[in-house]
Amino acid sequence: EVQLVESGGGLVQPGGSLRLSCATSGFTFSNYAMTWVRQAPGKGLEWVSAISGGDGSTYYADFVKGRFTISKDNSRNTLYLQMNSLRVDDTAIYSCARCHSSSWTDAFDMWGQGTIVTVSS
Amino acid sequence: QSALTQPASVSGSPGQSITISCTGTRSDFGGHDYVSWYQRHPGKVPKLLIYGVSDRPSGVSNRFSGSKSGNTASLTISGLQAEDEADYYCASYTSGSTSVLFGGGTKLTVL
Repeated sequence: EVQLVESGGGLVQPGGSLRLSCATSGFTFSNYAMTWVRQAPGKGLEWVSAISGGDGSTYYADFVKGRFTISKDNSRNTLYLQMNSLRVDDTAIYSCARCHSSSWTDAFDMWGQGTIVTVSS
Repeated sequence: QSALTQPASVSGSPGQSITISCTGTRSDFGGHDYVSWYQRHPGKVPKLLIYGVSDRPSGVSNRFSGSKSGNTASLTISGLQAEDEADYYCASYTSGSTSVLFGGGTKLTVL
């Protein structure tokens, strides 16, 4: 059974940092692209970042470029999102999702439950 | 990066068919087939309904179908059932910003 479990969320002050993790199991992690998606309170889904399954190339939404870094550890089957210079409008539930293939542009076929990030003073 | 445009809400009676549109720009939909649709019930994780514009993952009912024409993608649900009541999101790779865009979401009400 495919499982994705996020952790690392919490309350942080503006300008602070958090590192999210997404522990996976039930599939060959290195073969798939992975992505982070967020949903702010009362808003829709918003794509944040992706990492390809082959060469590990990374991609970011404009609103997180230079602040967030996506990475993965194939030996631990774990995806990460390092979030720096956090802003109030980064407050959201952050979910990891598996792409349908090794291509980061492909659909998201498995999702985690998400971890809550609250940025507030 | 503007979100793709979806109607905020649609409704239909059991047994009827409804179509949800998803409108973007040429850079959002042109030159590729990376368009997908998701169903999300309250408190649940999103479920992939359609990928590659019109392909269904194993286990998804053939009542769900997808298409694309020009700058608009569409999700059609035929034979509406009560359990189809949910939020629906489209998503597409966009070459304009080398990213993925989601639609704002459409709330489907089954009357």
